[in-house]
Amino acid sequence: GAVVSQHPSRVICKSGTSVKIECRSLDFQATTMFWYRQFPKQSLMLMATSNEGSKATYEQGVEKDKFLINHASLTLSTLTVTSAHPEDSSFYICSARTGHQPQHFGDGTRLSIL
Amino acid sequence: KQEVTQIPAALSVPEGENLVLNCSFTDSAIYNLQWFRQDPGKGLTSLLLIQSSQREQTSGRLNASLDKSSGRSTLYIAASQPGDSATYLCAGGRYNTDKLIFGTGTRLQVFP
Repeated sequence: GAVVSQHPSRVICKSGTSVKIECRSLDFQATTMFWYRQFPKQSLMLMATSNEGSKATYEQGVEKDKFLINHASLTLSTLTVTSAHPEDSSFYICSARTGHQPQHFGDGTRLSIL
Repeated sequence: KQEVTQIPAALSVPEGENLVLNCSFTDSAIYNLQWFRQDPGKGLTSLLLIQSSQREQTSGRLNASLDKSSGRSTLYIAASQPGDSATYLCAGGRYNTDKLIFGTGTRLQVFP
């Protein structure tokens, strides 16, 4: 149980493109979803926390207009990287949980901006 | 400022060895500690979660301990195998927040 699916697993696109990443909880209702970014050989850094039906809370230094997060249902959150540039290339990982249970993580999305 | 650090950053050992991975944290608001495994290019697999009321957890060849007073956690891997090769991350949960604070990771390679 507690499976989190993230799609796509890899994206390669041109600079200036907007990219949408989906995070789904397959067998539980995710009251809270988290988005992390991981640069090569570094740890996970929390970008934002989203609760279903409300606006996401962004960490300091993360541009909310650059990284649009929508959590419209209890099983789906999306992260849209708007007008992506090479410096946005990274590994993006989502996690989901219900209530105060432990977070369950997706398999991540490798984003490469040319 | 790195709040959660892991030592060593990398480790390469022959199979069969018993291993100790260390995690230390300076934030006194961290009340539980979770260990994860990450394979290259993949997401995280939770290994062990030590709640605030616990001092250790065991699962198979893995044992994790938590000492909040000293701000340390240890992951012990017994009889290591090549399949244990991965990056191991510790993460602390903070009181009154939803956040996990991740450590810097230990890259483990176990060779046959």
